[in-house]
Amino acid sequence: AQSVTQLGSHVSVSEGALVLLRCNYSSSVPPYLFWYVQYPNQGLQLLLKYTSAATLVKGINGFEAEFKKSETSFHLTKPSAHMSDAAEYFCAVSHSGGYQKVTFGTGTKLQVIP
Amino acid sequence: DAGVIQSPRHEVTEMGQEVTLRCKPISGHNSLFWYRQTMMRGLELLIYFNNNVPIDDSGMPEDRFSAKMPNASFSTLKIQPSEPRDSAVYFCASSPGTSDTRDTQYFGPGTRLTVL
Repeated sequence: AQSVTQLGSHVSVSEGALVLLRCNYSSSVPPYLFWYVQYPNQGLQLLLKYTSAATLVKGINGFEAEFKKSETSFHLTKPSAHMSDAAEYFCAVSHSGGYQKVTFGTGTKLQVIP
Repeated sequence: DAGVIQSPRHEVTEMGQEVTLRCKPISGHNSLFWYRQTMMRGLELLIYFNNNVPIDDSGMPEDRFSAKMPNASFSTLKIQPSEPRDSAVYFCASSPGTSDTRDTQYFGPGTRLTVL
């Protein structure tokens, strides 16, 4: 079985401060890992994904995430928060080997304080 | 490209009524997913189609829920009869590949269902 745990359902940062959203995964085989973002009243859209190539993955809007196998983590970071980053962020996991559904975490709402 | 299109965007109905949600995936995409999002349970996969064939319906809550994909450009999710606990946002997503779960999923804007 595969799963992801997102630490903190709500995170607040000041505009210009570092954004750090935590995600730990559980998978018995090498995983594929994703971060999706959901703006209010919209569907999810992909920020970035790890599919066993480079461990440091860069995504859209200045976000990046690093796959750390030893820590089973895939934390999302952005050096400087912008007001437009306020949204809900979902970590997700799947893996290879025929059809394997993507399992989403419970989400972290990011608030950016002016 | 118009993206994934869902209709209606909002649906309010009374308990016991039939509800039909509709989805048009991105042209050329082979995989289609229906998800349900609630505060209590988060984002749950209900059913997954590949090339119009249901592959995984293990997430369908019960027999009141059914989904069809009669062709590559249209899918429906039906709830009959509806119950208040079905109130949620229902998302449709599509992806270009077959069973490759590295593929990005493209989500529609969702249908917010309220069952009174």
